[in-house]
Amino acid sequence: GAVVSQHPSRVICKSGTSVKIECRSLDFQATTMFWYRQFPKKSLMLMATSNEGSKATYEQGVEKDKFLINHASLTLSTLTVTSAHPEDSSFYICSARDRTSSYEQYFGPGTRLTVT
Amino acid sequence: GQQLNQSPQSMFIQEGEDVSMNCTSSSIFNTWLWYKQDPGEGPVLLIALYKAGELTSNGRLTAQFGITRKDSFLNISASIPSDVGIYFCAGQGGSEKLVFGKGTKLTVNP
Repeated sequence: GAVVSQHPSRVICKSGTSVKIECRSLDFQATTMFWYRQFPKKSLMLMATSNEGSKATYEQGVEKDKFLINHASLTLSTLTVTSAHPEDSSFYICSARDRTSSYEQYFGPGTRLTVT
Repeated sequence: GQQLNQSPQSMFIQEGEDVSMNCTSSSIFNTWLWYKQDPGEGPVLLIALYKAGELTSNGRLTAQFGITRKDSFLNISASIPSDVGIYFCAGQGGSEKLVFGKGTKLTVNP
């Protein structure tokens, strides 16, 4: 149980285009999902908290107009990187909190974004 | 903001040896979680701790929630090559957000 999927696993896009990343909880309902960014050999940096049916809460320094988050259902959250630039290249990981558990977060396998 | 100090940063051990890593914080946490991350993958939850003083095992892994609620350790006994990876501690304080340590990179030599 507690499986989280992400799609795509890898994506290469050109500067100026937008990329959408999906995060799904496959066998549980997640009222809250989290989006992280991870640089090579670094820890996870929380970008935003996504709540089903409401606006996402962004961490300080994260541009909400650039990183659009939508949490339309209890099993799906999407992150759209708009007008991507090479510096947006990174490993993006989502996690989901099981609404029936305490504070355990289950992570997706990550999406490697490369902007050329 | 809350910060976690995780140590050691890296470890090189022989197969069969025991491993210990820990995290400390300047502030109190209500929950401690330990994750393992393989290259190019997302972190996988190993152990969750909810109560000060709690000692929990998962196979060869044992973790404890410090009595002061400001620290936690993870032990791995009789290490095997597949234990290789980066181990992260994470603490949850007053909100549902997790604060992550910087990771311990474990290398196991056969």
